[in-house]
Amino acid sequence: DSGVTQTPKHLITATGQRVTLRCSPRSGDLSVYWYQQSLDQGLQFLIQYYNGEERAKGNILERFSAQQFPDLHSELNLSSLELGDSALYFCASSSSTGELFFGEGSRLTVL
Amino acid sequence: EDQVTQSPEALRLQEGESSSLNCSYTVSGLRGLFWYRQDPGKGPEFLFTLYSAGEEKEKERLKATLTKKESFLHITAPKPEDSATYLCAVQDLLTSGSRLTFGEGTQLTVNP
Repeated sequence: DSGVTQTPKHLITATGQRVTLRCSPRSGDLSVYWYQQSLDQGLQFLIQYYNGEERAKGNILERFSAQQFPDLHSELNLSSLELGDSALYFCASSSSTGELFFGEGSRLTVL
Repeated sequence: EDQVTQSPEALRLQEGESSSLNCSYTVSGLRGLFWYRQDPGKGPEFLFTLYSAGEEKEKERLKATLTKKESFLHITAPKPEDSATYLCAVQDLLTSGSRLTFGEGTQLTVNP
């Protein structure tokens, strides 16, 4: 158990819909990262937050947004969903030495 | 742009048959190189961090080494429970934030 909690574990929705994925980092970690993993691609970095502020942005679509709240949990919002958005979405938090610890992921299926 | 290339894509071994996985990387400045293990449908599990060329780390049957251009994950006398996808990732000193850039992984299968 990494200590990073993600909900929901599974989500099935239709094209055009909007979903929210939630992540609670390990106790004491201030950084949260979001990654996407689809079948034909490896882990793709989406966005990083540090203590409530956006720190870095990767290949995140404009239809996607994220935020980190004062209690340090984070949410990833995916809107106008397309079939190609079906993937595993991972959240991670980092220690002071740089290692990322990943949650178990949220599997999104868009039908 | 940081790049990480892992080879082979897939590897099948017999139990007890030692081998190595390769990770080649290109970064502006290496802050750290990371190895993870990922089981199907699960999140990546941290294994090692290497920071400088010549460094080695060991954990049970796994040993990770680092040069200026690549890293190797040596698996000695593997067991079926070592079957997983092994991911390599780099952290770049000059990239904003502290994201990891991952390779595509090597899918290891160890047959009994």
